[in-house]
Amino acid sequence: RKEVEQDPGPFNVPEGATVAFNCTYSNSASQSFFWYRQDCRKEPKLLMSVYSSGNEDGRFTAQLNRASQYISLLIRDSKLSDSATYLCVVAMNTGFQKLVFGTGTRLLVSP
Amino acid sequence: EAEVAQSPRYKITEKSQAVAFWCDPISGHATLYWYRQILGQGPELLVQFQDESVVDDSQLPKDRFSAERLKGVDSTLKIQPAELGDSAMYLCASSLEGHSNQPQHFGDGTRLSIL
Repeated sequence: RKEVEQDPGPFNVPEGATVAFNCTYSNSASQSFFWYRQDCRKEPKLLMSVYSSGNEDGRFTAQLNRASQYISLLIRDSKLSDSATYLCVVAMNTGFQKLVFGTGTRLLVSP
Repeated sequence: EAEVAQSPRYKITEKSQAVAFWCDPISGHATLYWYRQILGQGPELLVQFQDESVVDDSQLPKDRFSAERLKGVDSTLKIQPAELGDSAMYLCASSLEGHSNQPQHFGDGTRLSIL
C-alpha cells in the first residue's frame, strides 16, 4: 500500500464548478499535511497547509481527519487557471522533516 | 522563475554516461533536498542535507548515485553510470530549517532523458 494515496483523475469540470479531491495516508505518526500544486512540466508549489480545524484560502478549503487519516481539498468556482495537478503531501518529523508525496490528481477546467 | 536555482534545465545523454546536476538553494536555507519525479508520479526523496551533512539518504541508489554539499550551500547530484530507468525530472528543494511545519521551495528541476 502506498503511504499517500490519491485518485489520479483526470477530473474534467466546467468553469464555475466545485470540485473535491481526496487523499488518504497510511502512517498515523504523520504530523503535517499540505497540498501542493504542480503545473505541467513545472516545479511543485505550496498551495496550502492543512490543519485539523480545517482552513480556507479564498476559493480553496482544506480539511484533515486524523482519525480516518484522510485529507481533502475543495475548490469552489473553478477557474481555467486552476487546471493543474494537485499533490497531497504528508510530512513526518523524524528529527527532520520528511515529505511524502501522493501521485497527484490532475484537474482540467474547461470553458 | 523559482528562487531555488537548478542547472541544467534539460539533459540528454546515453546510458552508461555520467551526469551531474547542480542546485543553489534560497540564501540562508539550511536544509536542502533532492527529489526524483517520474512522469505521472509524485516526487520521491533521494537525499536530504542539513547544512553540509546528509541526514537521510535511505532512498538514494548508492551504487550509482552520489550527492554532496561540501560548504553547506550549493549541492551536486551525480549519476554514474546512467541507466534508461533514470529518465525523470530531478528536483531540488530547500527550507529554512528541517522542521515539519516549514514549507519546502522547489527549483525548476532538471529533466533528464537517457537514450
